[in-house]
Amino acid sequence: KAGVTQTPRYLIKTRGQQVTLSCSPISGHRSVSWYQQTPGQGLQFLFEYFSETQRNKGNFPGRFSGRQFSNSRSEMNVSTLELGDSALYLCASSLDGGPPQPQHFGDGTRLSIL
Amino acid sequence: AQTVTQSQPEMSVQEAETVTLSCTYDTSESDYYLFWYKQPPSRQMILVIRQEAYKQQNATENRFSVNFQKAAKSFSLKISDSQLGDAAMYFCAYRSRETSGSRLTFGEGTQLTVNP
Repeated sequence: KAGVTQTPRYLIKTRGQQVTLSCSPISGHRSVSWYQQTPGQGLQFLFEYFSETQRNKGNFPGRFSGRQFSNSRSEMNVSTLELGDSALYLCASSLDGGPPQPQHFGDGTRLSIL
Repeated sequence: AQTVTQSQPEMSVQEAETVTLSCTYDTSESDYYLFWYKQPPSRQMILVIRQEAYKQQNATENRFSVNFQKAAKSFSLKISDSQLGDAAMYFCAYRSRETSGSRLTFGEGTQLTVNP
């Protein structure tokens, strides 16, 4: 069974641009969560999508948005990029329904802002 | 809001020895999950072990075991017979069972070095 796939693996952007990151969950997983990982702030929850609806949201500005498609694939968008948005962005998927299941993570997208 | 604290930024252990990583958390909830994740240089977060708060028995997975002290809100990870492949960043994480969703709250992480 294929794992969580994130594309692209690396991305370089400049301030003011926008970026879209993609996440394909494990087949059958309907929950997709996004996390930002930085040396200073650690791992912070961005948002979670389930059945194309945002179920939870972290404390990030409105420049960070996401969506989920009917096949459970998810995209995350960051507009008006700032230097502080440089980070590793991790996506995680899990089954839903019944007892809570562990999340499975992708390898992340390393975003660098110049 | 829940918080997770890992007070050891770095730890080291000799190969074949035992090491314990500490984690404390703060929550007003009574039903939740706790996890230890491992992140090697390859970046992928790998689930090491999980504990359900309503279970008194400490979870074990091969060489990995936890010491879960619910009253003290403590959740430490013990790695026995350490191997070179155990070298990684280890994160403690909390997940509520009282609210919907899969949101994880992570600690700051502990960088584990295994010396040959």
